[in-house]
Amino acid sequence: NAGVMQNPRHLVRRRGQEARLRCSPMKGHSHVYWYRQLPEEGLKFMVYLQKENIIDESGMPKERFSAEFPKEGPSILRIQQVVRGDSAAYFCASSPYGSTDTQYFGPGTRLTVL
Amino acid sequence: GESVGLHLPTLSVQEGDNSIINCAYSNSASDYFIWYKQESGKGPQFIIDIRSNMDKRQGQRVTVLLNKTVKHLSLQIAATQPGDSAVYFCAEIPNQGGKLIFGQGTELSVKP
Repeated sequence: NAGVMQNPRHLVRRRGQEARLRCSPMKGHSHVYWYRQLPEEGLKFMVYLQKENIIDESGMPKERFSAEFPKEGPSILRIQQVVRGDSAAYFCASSPYGSTDTQYFGPGTRLTVL
Repeated sequence: GESVGLHLPTLSVQEGDNSIINCAYSNSASDYFIWYKQESGKGPQFIIDIRSNMDKRQGQRVTVLLNKTVKHLSLQIAATQPGDSAVYFCAEIPNQGGKLIFGQGTELSVKP
């Protein structure tokens, strides 16, 4: 029973490039959450999605960041025109039934912007 | 605003001792709390959870206590082992659900 999968595990981008982070939830889970962890800090909520719907994006920066969870395939967190301040670990979590369920986390993608 | 914080940023214990990690939360409307363990380079790992209609819950070597009166949460680890060394986060889900609100974390270091 595979857990939450994220890829790539490490991603290096130069300033101005685009970063695409992928998350496959646990089998049977239809709720996906993205969090960002800056160095030496806790995790900060970014966005909550169900299949084909964004439920809560209150933690997403207003510009350059977008997320989707299509009917088929993984959830994608997309960062356009990356800047050095985007360097962080990005974690995806999933839950099975609803928004008050336990969230199970993936291993994260560590983004480094040069 | 909403916040979940930890009293102690670091905790060092001797192997075999019991550990207590504390957490304060500010949103009295929250009804679900979770403790996560995060080892270096890994994602947060679920340890134990508790709903607001309970004040204590036990797992294997771990116990979570919830004091709603003072909005305080604690994680007790019995017979702490070197493998318990990690950063521990408490997290809160507000009653409307969805996002987890994390504290900053406490680093637990276990001396052999």
